[in-house]
Amino acid sequence: DAGVIQSPRHEVTEMGQEVTLRCKPISGHDYLFWYRQTMMRGLELLIYFNNNVPIDDSGMPEDRFSAKMPNASFSTLKIQPSEPRDSAVYFCASSFFPGDTIYFGEGSWLTVV
Amino acid sequence: KQEVTQIPAALSVPEGENLVLNCSFTDSAIYNLQWFRQDPGKGLTSLLLIQSSQREQTSGRLNASLDKSSGRSTLYIAASQPGDSATYLCAVRVNNAGNMLTFGGGTRLMVKP
Repeated sequence: DAGVIQSPRHEVTEMGQEVTLRCKPISGHDYLFWYRQTMMRGLELLIYFNNNVPIDDSGMPEDRFSAKMPNASFSTLKIQPSEPRDSAVYFCASSFFPGDTIYFGEGSWLTVV
Repeated sequence: KQEVTQIPAALSVPEGENLVLNCSFTDSAIYNLQWFRQDPGKGLTSLLLIQSSQREQTSGRLNASLDKSSGRSTLYIAASQPGDSATYLCAVRVNNAGNMLTFGGGTRLMVKP
């Protein structure tokens, strides 16, 4: 398997613009996670899905953030409108079940100027 | 609330040394503990997963131990190599739920030739 695939790898956008990050989990994994990593706060769980259904979105910072998983092989994380404080690395990860080994994508490096 | 601490935050050693990275957690009622490696500009790669019923796991030159009662885990790296240079993170899972994985801040390791 190719592992968890994320796009874009790098994005620089202006404040106020919409940002869409994409993720393809490992085939057969029922759980998909979106994390954000910053120097100040480390790794934070934003939201996770089980069988395409959002289970816990309590980590989503504000209404400007939304995530969807229309099918088992695709998920998006959208920020609208983006702000400079959203600059971070956004990781998508997947696993067979929550307690199993979790596999991370290589991240989407977002800079909002 | 589970808190995970990794000390030291950074470590520099000469090639060939055996070294130990530390991870401590405040709530000993854990489900499992996972060690990850993160290279600059990359995602997290799972190294070892220790279930709460296990004392240690080994993979090649890596050995991870778990002492639940004292809230500690160590990652032992034998005969370190420059290619081992990376940030090492431990993550503790409280239960078999997707939102219960708590990460430490990581130890940034530099192995000098």
